[in-house]
Amino acid sequence: QVQLVESGGGLVKPGGSLRLSCAASGFTFSDYFMSWTRQAPGKGLEWLSYITGPGSATYYADSVKGRFTISRDNAKNSLYLQLNSLRAEDTAMYYCSRGNYGLDYWGQGILVTVSS
Amino acid sequence: EIVLTQSPGTLSLSPGERATLSCRASQTVSTTYLAWYQQRPGQAPRFLLSSAPTRATGIPDRFSGSASGTDFTLTISRLEPEDFAVYYCQQCGVSPWTFGQGTKVEIK
Repeated sequence: QVQLVESGGGLVKPGGSLRLSCAASGFTFSDYFMSWTRQAPGKGLEWLSYITGPGSATYYADSVKGRFTISRDNAKNSLYLQLNSLRAEDTAMYYCSRGNYGLDYWGQGILVTVSS
Repeated sequence: EIVLTQSPGTLSLSPGERATLSCRASQTVSTTYLAWYQQRPGQAPRFLLSSAPTRATGIPDRFSGSASGTDFTLTISRLEPEDFAVYYCQQCGVSPWTFGQGTKVEIK
């Protein structure tokens, strides 16, 4: 069965960095677009970034462009999100998900808290 | 950027009633790339269907989607207790991908 498991979250100071990982299993990872979406406490969903199956193309929301970097390692069935120059407003649950005709599988999410 | 506007913000209904949720796009979106999600408290979002009308595996047939121009609709024919949740639409046809702000379906 398809599984997506995020890791790497935690408490970080403003201006700091963090690298999130998403371990995928149960499907041919390299065949699928993968995305990151976040949800601030009590708020709605905010799509952040996607990467194509081969990793040849990426796209970002304006809110994170230049600060966050999405990448993948198809040999390791893993997706990553590098978060730099973190701000308090980046505090959220971060989800990885699969697909580009709708995000059909989601991880359970990982919490990132940005606070001094 | 395509803005998706969901209405109403909150829908108060009783179990067994029909729920009609709306999502209006600011620009043309292919039905292939307009999706609906359910999110229960404390859980990750769950893909329900796209408006092409492709229902995700395991999603009951009381959930259906339709489209007319830039207007998309999610219908839940008869609400079950587990259907009371927040619902989001999302377009993934034009970058950047965007979500609507959500509609909460609550028990009346």
